[in-house]
Order: sequence, then C-alpha cells, then structure tokens
Amino acid sequence: SQTIHQWPATLVQPVGSPLSLECTVEGTSNPNLYWYRQAAGRGLQLLFYSVGIGQISSEVPQNLSASRPQDRQFILSSKKLLLSDSGFYLCARSSGGWDTQYFGPGTRLTVL
Amino acid sequence: DQQVKQNSPSLSVQEGRISILNCDYTNSMFDYFLWYKKYPAEGPTFLISISSIKDKNEDGRFTVFLNKSAKHLSLHIVPSQPGDSAVYFCAAKASAGNMLTFGGGTRLMVKP
Repeated sequence: SQTIHQWPATLVQPVGSPLSLECTVEGTSNPNLYWYRQAAGRGLQLLFYSVGIGQISSEVPQNLSASRPQDRQFILSSKKLLLSDSGFYLCARSSGGWDTQYFGPGTRLTVL
Repeated sequence: DQQVKQNSPSLSVQEGRISILNCDYTNSMFDYFLWYKKYPAEGPTFLISISSIKDKNEDGRFTVFLNKSAKHLSLHIVPSQPGDSAVYFCAAKASAGNMLTFGGGTRLMVKP
C-alpha cells in the first residue's frame, strides 16, 4: 500500500527560528508531491509541488522553500519563521494526470 | 480570486436525513472534481470524484452531481450519520495540470 509519513506531528517554534518539515512516501515510485498549508479556519493552500527529484514549483511567494533530495522525500524549510507561518501543513502525493491526490497526516506548526 | 467556492461554511443535519454540500467554480478549464473529508488534526481523506464527461457519480452513501453549464457540483450523503461530521472540501483540476484548487470547506454536523 502507498503511505505518506510526515514528521514531526506537532511543532512549536519561536519567531525567527528555522524550520524543516519532512514528508516521505512509501509504496510508489516517481510520485508527484505537494505541500499545502491550512491556516486556522481557512481552506487548503498549495505551497509547492514537485514532479521529480530537484524539481520544485512554487505557487505563492513566501519565506518558505521546498526541496526534493530523493524520489520519495519532500522537505519544507524556512530560514526564519514568521508568526503568519503558523498552520497545519499537509504533504500529498499523486501519480500525475487524472490521479487523485492523497494526503499525509499533517504537521501542526505554531510560531510564537 | 477564488476559483473554487464553498459558500456555506457550515451545515447541520439530523441523523438519517440527506446532507447536501455545494461547490461552485469559475474556471472553465476545470474538468475533474473531487471531494475530501477532513477531521481535525488529520489529513484530508479522498471521498469521491467526477470527471466532466459525467454528470453523476455514486459510491455507497455518497453521490456527486456535476452541472457544467452552471459550474456547480454538489455532494449528497444519504443517509447522514454522526460519523460524517467533519469538514468537507471540494477540489478541482484541469487535465493539463497537476494541481488541485480547493474550496474553503464546509463543516458538516450530523446530530444524533
């Protein structure tokens, strides 16, 4: 079966600190990978997507960045967190084309 | 500009009755539509999808209807159960792309 892992599950960080969230996928090769954020009371906002190793597309300007060092690993980073970066971060995968996107369990980030 | 809108932020339904969740879109390039269900602090779970070549798709208690001329889709849940209480997101994509555009979500509460 295809599984998405996200680590950590929850995180509390001070403003100005760095961030690294990890997403790993099992049971599939060459997936499309996505990072979404859900701010409190809001819908899902696509942040980044990747169709392959080293290939990252950014959907919104922000102080976050993403990297895909391996086929099944997707990392979300920041050098300096802002209060507005608080939210629920979701990693998703698909096989491209018409395939449905499936989501991981998410990481709750609180920036204080 | 929101290309996918869910105009009802919340909906309350009695157990056993029908729940109807609505979604409108503006982008005529969208030709594949999905519904996701999300519990707090969890990733969204895929429920059902429909492509633009169909106007109805049914899976158990869940039916999605698509009205292309009105750019409107709806999710019907019959009969509604307390376990259906969650936030429901509709999403849309164009076949030429990899990205889903999500609505803001509707919180469904099914009362016993």
